[in-house]
Amino acid sequence: DTAVSQTPKYLVTQMGNDKSIKCEQNLGHDTMYWYKQDSKKFLKIMFSYNNKELIINETVPNRFSPKSPDKAHLNLHINSLELGDSAVYFCASTFNGGGRTGELFFGEGSRLTVL
Amino acid sequence: TQLLEQSPQFLSIQEGENLTVYCNSSSVFSSLQWYRQEPGEGPVLLVTVVTGGEVKKLKRLTFQFGDARKDSSLHITAAQPGDTGLYLCAGASWGAQKLVFGQGTRLTINP
Repeated sequence: DTAVSQTPKYLVTQMGNDKSIKCEQNLGHDTMYWYKQDSKKFLKIMFSYNNKELIINETVPNRFSPKSPDKAHLNLHINSLELGDSAVYFCASTFNGGGRTGELFFGEGSRLTVL
Repeated sequence: TQLLEQSPQFLSIQEGENLTVYCNSSSVFSSLQWYRQEPGEGPVLLVTVVTGGEVKKLKRLTFQFGDARKDSSLHITAAQPGDTGLYLCAGASWGAQKLVFGQGTRLTINP
């Protein structure tokens, strides 16, 4: 039973299109994240939701819109895709108890290629 | 902005050798985590260090958190091909509810 699952795993699309990536966790965690990993393998935080509430938005272009329908799901919608959006997007979850960030559990990643 | 600098960025050594990877910052962290990532997968936690000066061992891997809680190191003894992967350090600050990652060290152990 996969703890953090993302779909799709691969996404190839044209510039200007709109696409979505979905994420679900069955760990009972209260916090979920989207990270972007570029071609140099640098993992950069994009968004974080705690109990469906947006708590971190790291100056990501507003073409990126996260949505958390409940605390087990965090989706990412991207409008007007650009070449520079090509990357691997990772969903992660954790339990943020007592103000200390716990272990992050990552999904397998969604590789987005914009042509 | 908190930054974590890892060195070296790339390391290729022979099986049986020892190695050390460093993770440095000018910021103080409440805890520091080390992850390992294999191709096509997400990072997986190896260890969390919380107390300044703390040393943790995981078989042939030894992790140390600096006394000032600004840096950490990962030492691997008698490296094996199975140790090949991307090693990432990540720092957490009090109440920030996020991890900041270093740029990673790509380790290759040649048989």
